[in-house]
Amino acid sequence: AQTVTQSQPEMSVQEAETVTLSCTYDTSESDYYLFWYKQPPSRQMILVIRQEAYKQQNATENRFSVNFQKAAKSFSLKISDSQLGDAAMYFCAYETSPGGGADGLTFGKGTHLIIQP
Amino acid sequence: KAGVTQTPRYLIKTRGQQVTLSCSPISGHRSVSWYQQTPGQGLQFLFEYFSETQRNKGNFPGRFSGRQFSNSRSEMNVSTLELGDSALYLCASSLYLGRSNIQYFGAGTRLSVL
Repeated sequence: AQTVTQSQPEMSVQEAETVTLSCTYDTSESDYYLFWYKQPPSRQMILVIRQEAYKQQNATENRFSVNFQKAAKSFSLKISDSQLGDAAMYFCAYETSPGGGADGLTFGKGTHLIIQP
Repeated sequence: KAGVTQTPRYLIKTRGQQVTLSCSPISGHRSVSWYQQTPGQGLQFLFEYFSETQRNKGNFPGRFSGRQFSNSRSEMNVSTLELGDSALYLCASSLYLGRSNIQYFGAGTRLSVL
C-alpha cells in the first residue's frame, strides 16, 4: 500500500518570507499523481498544486512551487512571499491513477502552517 | 459554477442510530468520492462512485455504505453508529476526463456521536 509522510506537524514563518513543507511517499508504481491541498479553518480542502509523476518539470502556481524528486520519492512545497491567508493545514496527497484509483487519494497527516505577522 | 455542496454541515447522533449524509457534486462531474477525517487517523478514503456504480472502496466496515443517483448526487449512510464514527466527512467530485482528473472538495459534514 502507498504511504505518504509529512514529517513536520507544524511550521511557522514570518509574513513575506519563504517556507518549504516536506513530503515523502512510498510506492511501487511508476505512474501517479501528487498533490498539495490546503485546509483552512473553514475546513474546505483547496487544491494548491498538482504534479504528474511522468513530467520532469516541477509544477508552479504563482507563489507556490514544488520540488519533485522522483527517485528520492520526495515532493516538497515551497511557498514564497508568505501571506496571512496562507495559514492553514497543508496535506500532501498521492493518487495512483485518474478517477480515484484503487484507494482514492492517500493523504499525509498534514502540516499546520502558521504565518507570523 | 457552484462548488461541491454537502448537507447537513453539522449533525449530532447517539450510539446505535444511523445517519445519511448528502453530497451534490459540481455540475457535470460524474465521480464522487467520500473521505473520513479524524484527529487520530487523519484523512481516509471511504469509497468512490462513478455513474451510479461503486468503483473503489477503502478499508471500512460494512456499516459504511453509499450510493449515487442518476444526477450524480451521492449519499453516504452509516448504520449502528459508534463513538469512533465522530469525524468530519468530506465529499469530493471530479470530472474524470482522461489524465486531467482533479478532485474538488466540499466543506464537509461534522458528525458527532454521543
